[in-house]
Amino acid sequence: EAQVTQNPRYLITVTGKKLTVTCSQNMNHEYMSWYRQDPGLGLRQIYYSMNVEVTDKGDVPEGYKVSRKEKRNFPLILESPSPNQTSLYFCASSRTAGGRRETQYFGPGTRLLVL
Amino acid sequence: SQELEQSPQSLIVQEGKNLTINCTSSKTLYGLYWYKQKYGEGLIFLMMLQKGGEEKSHEKITAKLDEKKQQSSLHITASQPSHAGIYLCGADIGGSNYKLTFGKGTLLTVNP
Repeated sequence: EAQVTQNPRYLITVTGKKLTVTCSQNMNHEYMSWYRQDPGLGLRQIYYSMNVEVTDKGDVPEGYKVSRKEKRNFPLILESPSPNQTSLYFCASSRTAGGRRETQYFGPGTRLLVL
Repeated sequence: SQELEQSPQSLIVQEGKNLTINCTSSKTLYGLYWYKQKYGEGLIFLMMLQKGGEEKSHEKITAKLDEKKQQSSLHITASQPSHAGIYLCGADIGGSNYKLTFGKGTLLTVNP
């Protein structure tokens, strides 16, 4: 089954404790992206990657890191989480054609609570 | 200001009624996507529109993109409880293809 998977689905942590949220897709998509969703603010892009070893900042990259060493994986790293990073996080992936991104498909989400 | 405005923010309808959700921008939309989200869950892709005047339908849901490519509407005919959820429009704005900008969503409740 074609899908985007995220782990963990739920996470409670404390301020300053480094964590990684994994994202994996089995569709051989070039483009991958991370979003966070907050009440009243909607979905905002954190980082995106057009291909392996190519990443760039979205609208709200502060406090996050990403890496794209393999095509299928795009982990989101919070080096020192803070309470304002409590949110619902989504990973998405899509094909590209002619250098342009096509329809994005989303993972199930990771709900993070930072105490 | 929000680049992509959705209206209404929330909508409560009786089962069987028709409804329309709008998505508007002051800029040209180069790709307009509609997604549905159950509360706290992932986004399910519904439809994608690219050309001015384009209209697509799937089951009882029809999406349109206006000729100027600055406004899209999502119309549900004869709504059912299974249509309940959050509807999100996302768009490639101003020619940027790297970022998908989203509206804040419309919460739809369908009462049986």
